[in-house]
Amino acid sequence: GEDVEQSLFLSVREGDSSVINCTYTDSSSTYLYWYKQEPGAGLQLLTYIFSNMDMKQDQRLTVLLNKKDKHLSLRIADTQTGDSAIYFCAERAGGSYIPTFGRGTSLIVHP
Amino acid sequence: GAVVSQHPSRVICKSGTSVKIECRSLDFQATTMFWYRQFPKQSLMLMATSNEGSKATYEQGVEKDKFLINHASLTLSTLTVTSAHPEDSSFYICSVVRRGADGANVLTFGAGSRLTVL
Repeated sequence: GEDVEQSLFLSVREGDSSVINCTYTDSSSTYLYWYKQEPGAGLQLLTYIFSNMDMKQDQRLTVLLNKKDKHLSLRIADTQTGDSAIYFCAERAGGSYIPTFGRGTSLIVHP
Repeated sequence: GAVVSQHPSRVICKSGTSVKIECRSLDFQATTMFWYRQFPKQSLMLMATSNEGSKATYEQGVEKDKFLINHASLTLSTLTVTSAHPEDSSFYICSVVRRGADGANVLTFGAGSRLTVL
């Protein structure tokens, strides 16, 4: 199976909160990332969290990490149409520069 | 502003021709750059690690003679798709590792290059 798994689609109403979930298998993961990809563009780093943290908040974004369950989530508060994009979860062990990516979750925000 | 620049952003070529894609780090020296290929349905595949002044390291299943990588300077890596065929049509993205303010190493991506082979 895949090392990093995400659901492929999420649809939310504008103004609601979005929660994108990710699970990973590597217990030695040190860094976990969330990237955003808008149509036709590269990946933009949104936020990241060290494995010794449980939560990180940055404006509308909240990242929760459950290391025991190897579960990472990204919550977007007050979701806007401009948040429509593909969101990639990625994890990296401390000894490598190369993260392992999930297949991405396509977030669709409708009025 | 962007710290990793890719060029061209879009290219259309005929089958059998070669196409070169450039990746530049704009404000720092990158001894290592990574080339990814993104397939339809979103998945991102690491193709190779480009090392300045030495040969690239290719991932399993990636043809090194098909995808030539040159990292001749600390700010430039190029990917050349040789004798391109329609199945090479894809979105190619380069990336570099940067150290953030808190000391974490993060992968920063270029804007990508869309290759269409007719």
